[in-house]
Amino acid sequence: ETGVTQSPTHLIKTRGQQVTLRCSSQSGHNTVSWYQQALGQGPQFIFQYYREEENGRGNFPPRFSGLQFPNYSSELNVNALELDDSALYLCASSGTGGVGEKLFFGSGTQLSVL
Amino acid sequence: AQSVAQPEDQVNVAEGNPLTVKCTYSVSGNPYLFWYVQYPNRGLQFLLKYITGDNLVKGSYGFEAEFNKSQTSFHLKKPSALVSDSALYFCAVTDGGFKTIFGAGTRLFVKA
Repeated sequence: ETGVTQSPTHLIKTRGQQVTLRCSSQSGHNTVSWYQQALGQGPQFIFQYYREEENGRGNFPPRFSGLQFPNYSSELNVNALELDDSALYLCASSGTGGVGEKLFFGSGTQLSVL
Repeated sequence: AQSVAQPEDQVNVAEGNPLTVKCTYSVSGNPYLFWYVQYPNRGLQFLLKYITGDNLVKGSYGFEAEFNKSQTSFHLKKPSALVSDSALYFCAVTDGGFKTIFGAGTRLFVKA
């Protein structure tokens, strides 16, 4: 069973740039959620994708966007980077996004915006 | 709206002693409650969950949690702490929708 993998592990960008983060979901999972974890805080929900459609969104501006591909892997895109976007970005997959399902997390991408 | 509160930033306990990490929640419908653990530079790992049924839930690594509906709490417990339990612990809740909400986390430090 392949776990959730994220790339890259670390990334440094400057303010105003754009970034794309990638996630491969666990084998057999069709739902991917993205979270932002700022230093010293809990993960904040960005959005969820289920079978290539956005299934729900948290309180993040439109410059945070995503995609899910037919193989259920996913991308998180952030445009016009701001200093406050510096955080650990976590991808989590689950089987069907159904009630009470646990989330399987990747190790995250540490984004630093200078 | 859903919310989770973890009132303690850090919990210190001696190895071999029982530990409790506190969590209270707010959700409009039936709560689905989780505990996750995070080690340095890693993603979160699932420990246990409460969906329905028995209020005492047993999970990984000897951890358990007690659901208390009247107090809207879901405290994490372990009878005998290990140094290797030292990590960051997150309580999470969902009302069955697409969003899982996490608390701010509690750092557990177990001293040898």
